[in-house]
Amino acid sequence: GAGVSQSPSNKVTEKGKDVELRCDPISGHTALYWYRQSLGQGLEFLIYFQGNSAPDKSGLPSDRFSAERTGGSVSTLTIQRTQQEDSAVYLCASSLVGRGPSYNEQFFGPGTRLTVL
Amino acid sequence: GQQVMQIPQYQHVQEGEDFTTYCNSSTTLSNIQWYKQRPGGHPVFLIQLVKSGEVKKQKRLTFQFGEAKKNSSLHITATQTTDVGTYFCAGLNMRFGAGTRLTVKP
Repeated sequence: GAGVSQSPSNKVTEKGKDVELRCDPISGHTALYWYRQSLGQGLEFLIYFQGNSAPDKSGLPSDRFSAERTGGSVSTLTIQRTQQEDSAVYLCASSLVGRGPSYNEQFFGPGTRLTVL
Repeated sequence: GQQVMQIPQYQHVQEGEDFTTYCNSSTTLSNIQWYKQRPGGHPVFLIQLVKSGEVKKQKRLTFQFGEAKKNSSLHITATQTTDVGTYFCAGLNMRFGAGTRLTVKP
């Protein structure tokens, strides 16, 4: 089946504008993750959704960042009043959750490259 | 929160040489995952280790999970140019190591 998809693939915005990034996880995956990756750097955890549980927002860097997941499927990451330091690739991943060899493997989308001018 | 440290940050090898990256946690891990990210690509899952002392092999790649479940390693035997990329470890709470960037000189 289809993998994780993200849109847009590239986004250029001006400082101070709001942006929305979309993630379509693999159908049936209950867990959804957002990460940020700056050029040549590692993966910075942002937020985690699992089923109907309250999301783990512990990685969000400021209150300008928020995310929601509607109907347990599609997720939107919103960055308000963007700053130049927000420029990065934003990666979304999804997984099944549980015990066993097929669980917890994260399938990543291609990412959205955000550039804030 | 749980911190996962990964070393080395970079490794440059001649094709055919071996390569190892190490991952260390300050706390006991319930499991650990390894991912590979090719240049310009997104991370791709390699393996998950769950049991203390576990060793798993995938062709030229050998993954180990320490007895105390606080460290792990990925060893590549006889590197090839196709091994180029950044290798990340990750604990179950979504905290990734900083990654080891491997370059291979043909």
